[in-house]
Amino acid sequence: GEDVEQSLFLSVREGDSSVINCTYTDSSSTYLYWYKQEPGAGLQLLTYIFSNMDMKQDQRLTVLLNKKDKHLSLRIADTQTGDSAIYFCAPADRGSTLGRLYFGRGTQLTVWP
Amino acid sequence: DGGITQSPKYLFRKEGQNVTLSCEQNLNHDAMYWYRQDPGQGLRLIYYSQIVNDFQKGDIAEGYSVSREKKESFPLTVTSAQKNPTAFYLCASSILTGSSYNEQFFGPGTRLTVL
Repeated sequence: GEDVEQSLFLSVREGDSSVINCTYTDSSSTYLYWYKQEPGAGLQLLTYIFSNMDMKQDQRLTVLLNKKDKHLSLRIADTQTGDSAIYFCAPADRGSTLGRLYFGRGTQLTVWP
Repeated sequence: DGGITQSPKYLFRKEGQNVTLSCEQNLNHDAMYWYRQDPGQGLRLIYYSQIVNDFQKGDIAEGYSVSREKKESFPLTVTSAQKNPTAFYLCASSILTGSSYNEQFFGPGTRLTVL
């Protein structure tokens, strides 16, 4: 399997940028996903990046991928209180057509007004 | 509206009892998954199924069982053999694309508490 590491907590002020980092071990992962989980709820897909890309931007979200270092980051610009949630990094397993996902422990983002 | 439903949202059981968690999807997805989430932990895969009448163990299948008799349904039974069943259980589904692209759609979860 794949090991995925994330820091557990991040606190920012409203309006600042948030950067959530993730490291993984399987360099052959083709798709890498970011999911968001609000309290007591399921996960929702935020964005993803394909392994042949270095960066992907989607409105306030920017994903950076450093394949050499096996490092993925999610930047949220102009962070709002509604962004407070747990964010999961989830690389996909290239070794199967199922594309099985491996989840990190999640980063709890707290946004202060 | 298409989506995944899990019921009930909260479930309480006495130790030693089996309990079945429901998961239904109307997205016409091929694959379905069950994950367990504990506080401060990531999601751990219990079982998954790519096709009706077939399923595979994930990383923590001991003490759990599943069935896939219909494409839209993937119930999970937590048996008395599961040592620490209290957790938040999440069901997900995805289309099988033939590539490793696998956007999974999640249900709202069931919180199981064993007393």
